[in-house]
Amino acid sequence: DGGITQSPKYLFRKEGQNVTLSCEQNLNHDAMYWYRQDPGQGLRLIYYSQIVNDFQKGDIAEGYSVSREKKESFPLTVTSAQKNPTAFYLCASSETGEAYGYTFGSGTRLTVV
Amino acid sequence: LAKTTQPISMDSYEGQEVNITCSHNNIATNDYITWYQQFPSQGPRFIIQGYKTKVTNEVASLFIPADRKSSTLSLPRVSLSDTAVYYCLVGAPDDKIIFGKGTRLHILP
Repeated sequence: DGGITQSPKYLFRKEGQNVTLSCEQNLNHDAMYWYRQDPGQGLRLIYYSQIVNDFQKGDIAEGYSVSREKKESFPLTVTSAQKNPTAFYLCASSETGEAYGYTFGSGTRLTVV
Repeated sequence: LAKTTQPISMDSYEGQEVNITCSHNNIATNDYITWYQQFPSQGPRFIIQGYKTKVTNEVASLFIPADRKSSTLSLPRVSLSDTAVYYCLVGAPDDKIIFGKGTRLHILP
């Protein structure tokens, strides 16, 4: 089945550590996105990429980094510079030019301990 | 990107029809209206999309008046499993998605 796989589902991080969240899609979509969701809130865009080897900052990119070396993969690194990383992280993909026809992964819940 | 306004929360009962209205007064000519559903600890799921008039699929209907300044998502005969957050999004192809807080729909037995 085509879809987006995020791993791990739960992740615990010690303060000062970098962690990387995985996002893989087999939908052959050009565009991929990372969102952060805090309890009771909407989704906020961290980074997005519309083509391999290119990505753009979203609204809350500080403390995060990404790479897009392959079309199907868009990993997100939460760095120690992110002051409040505990949140639910969602990855999505879409066809370029698609009007909001996005497919989301099932998310990674990151907790700082 | 057009700003959207929708109710923060709604309650309904099983078997009822639920209508959630979204206002988007500054919608642009090439903007589409899209609704997503999100269950707790899951990613949002695409429900329906429209440009004008009425769109219906196996899950919901979307009503869009001629001026397109609002839209209504209609869920027929809801069940407990329809309890979720519903997001209204307005934008054009290649726009970044901007999610608001959505509408928390709570279905009661």
